Amino acid sequence: QVQLVQSGAEVKKPGASVRVSCEASGSTFSDYYIHWVRQAPGQGLEWMGIINPTGNSTYYAQKFQGRLVVTRDTSTRTVYMTLSTLRSDDTAVYFCARDRGRGSESYLIFDYWGQGTLVTVSS
Amino acid sequence: DIQMTQSPSSLSASVGDSVTITCRTSQNIYKYLNWYQQKPGKAPKLLIYGASNLESGVSSRFSGSGSGTEFTLTITSLQPDDFATYYCQQSYSAPAGFGRGTNLEIK
Repeated sequence: QVQLVQSGAEVKKPGASVRVSCEASGSTFSDYYIHWVRQAPGQGLEWMGIINPTGNSTYYAQKFQGRLVVTRDTSTRTVYMTLSTLRSDDTAVYFCARDRGRGSESYLIFDYWGQGTLVTVSS
Repeated sequence: DIQMTQSPSSLSASVGDSVTITCRTSQNIYKYLNWYQQKPGKAPKLLIYGASNLESGVSSRFSGSGSGTEFTLTITSLQPDDFATYYCQQSYSAPAGFGRGTNLEIK
């Protein structure tokens, strides 16, 4: 059974950075792309970025370029999302999600999701 | 970026009813359209991929159709567990955009 387990809730001050982890089990972790999607309170889903199976290629939504870094550690089957220069409107639940595609192709279809991590940005 | 327009934003229905949700895109995405269900406090769940393919384990009361720029999600014989928020999402090109969601409520 595929599982993505994320790190716990965070409270950060404006201007700080936050790192959220996403640990995978139950599948060949190194075969899959992983995405990050966020959801502000009471709002819809917003795609943030993607990392390839080997961790040497990323693609970020333009909105987050310069503030978002996604990395992965294949030895620990963990993907990390770091968002910097936090603002109050970054308060959201952050989800990691597995891409259905394997190997060299991303399908942009999210078939397994982490449980979500609430990040609160407040002074 | 591809713009997603989902309607209605909210919908009231009764157990046993059928409902249809529509998603329109700003350009032709062929059949690269997926549907998700989300319940409060939970992660989204993939229901339909490739416009009309039912994800494994999902009830056959859910069906998707469409191609190009107009797509629909139909849920027949609504059950209490179906009352949730539904999102469309295009998988034609990055960034992978979502519709704004349809909140399906019990009448």
